[in-house]
Amino acid sequence: EPEVTQTPSHQVTQMGQEVILRCVPISNHLYFYWYRQILGQKVEFLVSFYNNEISEKSEIFDDQFSVERPDGSNFTLKIRSTKLEDSAMYFCASSGRDLGELFFGEGSRLTVL
Amino acid sequence: SQQGEEDPQALSIQEGENATMNCSYKTSINNLQWYRQNSGRGLVHLILIRSNEREKHSGRLRVTLDTSKKSSSLLITASRAADTASYFCATEQGAQKLVFGQGTRLTINP
Repeated sequence: EPEVTQTPSHQVTQMGQEVILRCVPISNHLYFYWYRQILGQKVEFLVSFYNNEISEKSEIFDDQFSVERPDGSNFTLKIRSTKLEDSAMYFCASSGRDLGELFFGEGSRLTVL
Repeated sequence: SQQGEEDPQALSIQEGENATMNCSYKTSINNLQWYRQNSGRGLVHLILIRSNEREKHSGRLRVTLDTSKKSSSLLITASRAADTASYFCATEQGAQKLVFGQGTRLTINP
């Protein structure tokens, strides 16, 4: 069964460092998403991406964040200069249709020290 | 603003009992979705109900939607220990923005 894969599963970084989280969405999907979940809290929308551009982004998704689909298969989330409060689980999701069922990866846990 | 909010925040029942979780939302929707999350794992889609549907079934799951009250419920019948998880409703809040509620943490006691 096709699945969304994310790497790394866990990354520890120092405050101020750049981090890139990678996702391989399901191959025939067109809509891509990043969410984050701080431990014990709700799943927060960060950004949606379609047709090689950002469709929607939340207020969390400030200038420190960027997304890219560099090669037609990977979908990356970059945090330019990490802060302590960026520590969270980051989930990638993809969908075959607009606002349809989302398929989530298992997440990348980011710990900022 | 919060779009989908579940209640209760936590629910603990005995195996075999039914579990009901509710979701309320604020603005008009095209569809409402329910997801499940096992601790530390990704979310798994359970069911999607469209705004013109009132009820939908999938195995032991039953979802209702009342657009006049802007609310939905998820019923899990004959609960099992493996149903222990957090359950989230999700609604659209923008063209391609699916927003999740706070979730209901369900514990099934053997």
